[in-house]
Amino acid sequence: AQSVTQLGSHVSVSEGALVLLRCNYSSSVPPYLFWYVQYPNQGLQLLLKYTSAATLVKGINGFEAEFKKSETSFHLTKPSAHMSDAAEYFCAVSESASKIIFGSGTRLSIRP
Amino acid sequence: DAGVIQSPRHEVTEMGQEVTLRCKPISGHNSLFWYRQTMMRGLELLIYFNNNVPIDDSGMPEDRFSAKMPNASFSTLKIQPSEPRDSAVYFCASSFTLNTGELFFGEGSRLTVL
Repeated sequence: AQSVTQLGSHVSVSEGALVLLRCNYSSSVPPYLFWYVQYPNQGLQLLLKYTSAATLVKGINGFEAEFKKSETSFHLTKPSAHMSDAAEYFCAVSESASKIIFGSGTRLSIRP
Repeated sequence: DAGVIQSPRHEVTEMGQEVTLRCKPISGHNSLFWYRQTMMRGLELLIYFNNNVPIDDSGMPEDRFSAKMPNASFSTLKIQPSEPRDSAVYFCASSFTLNTGELFFGEGSRLTVL
């Protein structure tokens, strides 16, 4: 069965610092992988997705993620955090891009 | 362009009452998903439709829950009778096709069952 594990329910970084949100997946077939962001009182919004075209995926707002099959990881990074990046981030996996399973989420806080 | 529209945004009801949540997907999208979000269980996929047909309802927790999609522009999620443990935010999402992985979410319906 497919699943994702997000390491760290809460991450806090200083403005301008590197953002690293960790995600490991489990899938019996080559997976589709996604990162979504949720701002307070809103629905989720797609940040980026991996569909086997390239291992380094660039998304919106300066975020990117790298697919590492050997580590079954799909960590999300951003070189320099901005106050507006404060939100909850969800890693998600799908074996068919139809039934998408979300991780438990990581709340990102930005310190001034 | 209008996004996914959900109603009501907030619902407070008493245990045993019927609750109906509504969703209007983005025009032209032919896949629709219902998710439930709680602190304890995170985001759970309840059911999804493709071309108005339910494809997978294995996430529907109990027979008290039912979902319909009578046409391409409307879906309902019904809980009858409601229980306090049903309190959650219910999200509807739509996508252009079933296999893109890009879901467009509504703002959610926050349900509180007393």
